Amino acid sequence: GNSVTQMEGPVTLSEEAFLTINCTYTATGYPSLFWYVQYPGEGLQLLLKATKADDKGSNKGFEATYRKETTSFHLEKGSVQVSDSAVYFCALSKGAQKLVFGQGTRLTINP
Amino acid sequence: DVKVTQSSRYLVKRTGEKVFLECVQDMDHENMFWYRQDPGLGLRLIYFSYDVKMKEKGDIPEGYSVSREKKERFSLILESASTNQTSMYLCASSFTDYNSPLHFGNGTRLTVT
Repeated sequence: GNSVTQMEGPVTLSEEAFLTINCTYTATGYPSLFWYVQYPGEGLQLLLKATKADDKGSNKGFEATYRKETTSFHLEKGSVQVSDSAVYFCALSKGAQKLVFGQGTRLTINP
Repeated sequence: DVKVTQSSRYLVKRTGEKVFLECVQDMDHENMFWYRQDPGLGLRLIYFSYDVKMKEKGDIPEGYSVSREKKERFSLILESASTNQTSMYLCASSFTDYNSPLHFGNGTRLTVT
């Protein structure tokens, strides 16, 4: 079946550090891939997406590239800020926007 | 801005009670969803609806039902609450376009004692 596996958290970094959060997926066909972010006390919001192989999604300094050959969609940011502290969810769509989510990775950035 | 509003932020109920969680969206979205969020498990789809009076089971529908009488409102019902239904419940909505993003409410934290 379809599934998403994210790197275990929590992840703690210092401000301006480089961030990678790993995400791999298992799916039939060619799903669309998403990163959602959940700030404290809020619902999830879309961070970026990619709809086909080799697409790169980007937003707010975050990037992720849809790699079909490694079935991965790793999230990266070159220089994190305290305001990036949140829980990050990788997800894939299997039609009709029925998203399958990873378990989430809690990120804490220290000043 | 799209707004998805969940009626309660925190709810405490007793085992066996019937519980209603309400969700309203203001963007005329066709699709609406109910997820539950548990630590280490991510989000799991309970039910979704792609039109008024239409519903489909998600991955974990047992113990839940839903109602969609109007396009903007999607209710999750726990017929007889149990302690294993203590969780964060998230409502979401979207257009039917394949890559249209989901818009989430802020969640309802339900505790069943």
